[in-house]
Amino acid sequence: GNSVTQMEGPVTLSEEAFLTINCTYTATGYPSLFWYVQYPGEGLQLLLKATKADDKGSNKGFEATYRKETTSFHLEKGSVQVSDSAVYFCALTLSGGYNKLIFGAGTRLAVHP
Amino acid sequence: DAGVTQSPTHLIKTRGQHVTLRCSPISGHKSVSWYQQVLGQGPQFIFQYYEKEERGRGNFPDRFSARQFPNYSSELNVNALLLGDSALYLCASSLRQGAPSSTDTQYFGPGTRLTVL
Repeated sequence: GNSVTQMEGPVTLSEEAFLTINCTYTATGYPSLFWYVQYPGEGLQLLLKATKADDKGSNKGFEATYRKETTSFHLEKGSVQVSDSAVYFCALTLSGGYNKLIFGAGTRLAVHP
Repeated sequence: DAGVTQSPTHLIKTRGQHVTLRCSPISGHKSVSWYQQVLGQGPQFIFQYYEKEERGRGNFPDRFSARQFPNYSSELNVNALLLGDSALYLCASSLRQGAPSSTDTQYFGPGTRLTVL
């Protein structure tokens, strides 16, 4: 079936460190890929997306590249800030269907000064 | 512009009761989806409605039902509440139902936190 696997958290970093959160997927067809972020006590915010192989999504210093050959969509940021502390969800949706999002379990990021 | 709004923000119910959660999509969006997020997990798809019709349903029991109104707002109803129904219920809206070779981004509301005692 279709699924998303994320690295387990929590990920704990010092401010200005480099961030990588791994995400791999299994899907039939050609998925679109997303990263959503959830700040404490809030709903989900779209962080970035990529709709086809080799596309790079980027926003607020975060980047992720759609790698079809490795079925991956790893999230990276060169220099994290305390305000980036949140839970990050990788997700996919399949075209031709009804746009159902399939989420990973989420990865909690804690950034310390 | 207003984003997706949900009401109420928090709700406490007891086992066996029923609950109605409400969602208003972004203006111009015609599709609404509902997700359940249990603490510590990723959201799970419950329903999608488009143009007032159910277009998709996740693996949830018949106690869960929903509808969409002519103004595209939506309600999620849960009957005979169980302790395991305690979760954050998220509503997401998008312009239209998914179409071949298109990506229809879903925008989420802040959620309704349901606690079943």
